[in-house]
Amino acid sequence: GEQVEQLPSILRVQEGSSASINCSYEDSASNYFPWYKQEPGENPKLIIDIRSNMERKQIQELIVLLDKKAKRFSLHITDTQPGDSAMYFCAATDNAPRFGAGTKLSVKP
Amino acid sequence: GPKVLQIPSHQIIDMGQMVTLNCDPVSNHLYFYWYKQILGQQMEFLVNFYNGKVMEKSKLFKDQFSVERPDGSYFTLKIQPTALEDSAVYFCASSLLDREFEQYFGPGTRLTVL
Repeated sequence: GEQVEQLPSILRVQEGSSASINCSYEDSASNYFPWYKQEPGENPKLIIDIRSNMERKQIQELIVLLDKKAKRFSLHITDTQPGDSAMYFCAATDNAPRFGAGTKLSVKP
Repeated sequence: GPKVLQIPSHQIIDMGQMVTLNCDPVSNHLYFYWYKQILGQQMEFLVNFYNGKVMEKSKLFKDQFSVERPDGSYFTLKIQPTALEDSAVYFCASSLLDREFEQYFGPGTRLTVL
C-alpha cells in the first residue's frame, strides 16, 4: 500500500483561470507532502509542501490542501500564467517519497 | 539557490558494462538520494543514504546497484552490470539533516544502455 495516485494526467486551462491537481495516498504514516514542478529536460523543483499537522498552505498563487482522514491532498494554482505550463508531481513521504505519475499542465494564452 | 550537480549529463554504454553516475550534492547537505525516471513517467525512489549508510532502498534498487560517497567526494550510483531496462534519467537529490524530505534535485543523467 504505497501507491500515490495523481489526477488528472493532462490538464489544459486558459490563462487567468485556476488549475487543480489531486493526489491520494495509501500509507497512513505519510507525514510530508511536497509538490514538484518539472519543465522539459529540467530537474524537478520543489514549489510548495505541506506537513501532516496542517490542512492548508498558500504561497502566492499556490494553495495546497491536505485531508488526512481521506488521505487526499491537492494543489491549486490560481490565476494561471503560460509560465506555469509544466509537469507537476505530488509525493507522499514517510521514510521515502512516493511520487504520483504527474500532471501535464498547459496554460493557453 | 542551492544547486546539485550531476556528471555526466548523458551516458551511452553497452549492456553488461559498468557505469558510475556522479552527484555533487549541496555542500552542507547530509542526506542523499537517487531516483529513476523513465521518459514520460513518474520519478521512482531508488535509495537514500546518510552517514555512509544506505537508509532505505526500493525494489528497483537491484543487487547490481550500489552507492557510496567516499571521503565526502561525489555521491555515486554504480550499476554493474547494466541491463537494457536501466535506460532512464537518474536524478540525484540532497537535503539537510533536519529537513531530509525537502530535497534539491540535480539536473539528471540520461543513461542509455544499448
